[in-house]
Amino acid sequence: GEDVEQSLFLSVREGDSSVINCTYTDSSSTYLYWYKQEPGAGLQLLTYIFSNMDMKQDQRLTVLLNKKDKHLSLRIADTQTGDSAIYFCAESPRGQGGKLIFGQGTELSVKP
Amino acid sequence: EPEVTQTPSHQVTQMGQEVILRCVPISNHLYFYWYRQILGQKVEFLVSFYNNEISEKSEIFDDQFSVERPDGSNFTLKIRSTKLEDSAMYFCASARMGAYEQYFGPGTRLTVT
Repeated sequence: GEDVEQSLFLSVREGDSSVINCTYTDSSSTYLYWYKQEPGAGLQLLTYIFSNMDMKQDQRLTVLLNKKDKHLSLRIADTQTGDSAIYFCAESPRGQGGKLIFGQGTELSVKP
Repeated sequence: EPEVTQTPSHQVTQMGQEVILRCVPISNHLYFYWYRQILGQKVEFLVSFYNNEISEKSEIFDDQFSVERPDGSNFTLKIRSTKLEDSAMYFCASARMGAYEQYFGPGTRLTVT
């Protein structure tokens, strides 16, 4: 079946790196995504990775994909207090036009 | 930068009433979606819409739900007879042809009393 799992909480100090992990079950997923949700706001697309890639870097964000283990991670370098939010991992089993399957979200708390 | 917009931001309704949640997707997008997030739970897919018809729907999207694109800009979700368990945040999303990214609106919080 289709399922995405994440740990619920992560707490880091400002300036440290944060690593948020995610596992998914559908090996046919073509794209995997990270969304950010700030309090009272919608889901902001942060980055995504195609399933034939191992890594994608975008400024402070690094996405690592281990397709064999169906494991996705998001690393935020030099974490700032403004990065405090809920981070959702999502997979797209059908690819273009298809639905997204979300994890339950990881609440990142950044302490000064 | 273009955004998906949703109205209202918060809707309170009584059980059994009909509600219509409205979305304006990004203007050149052709794929439209509704998701919901019950408090404390995962974001769940409800329905996708392309070329003026439903392309996929989840088990949640039963006969009480319907979607419509009444004109060239709006995309609506109607719940005919709301239940307490319909209380959730409802998100609209859109995507353009040939792209894999879905862009989400800020959500409508529906409270059924």
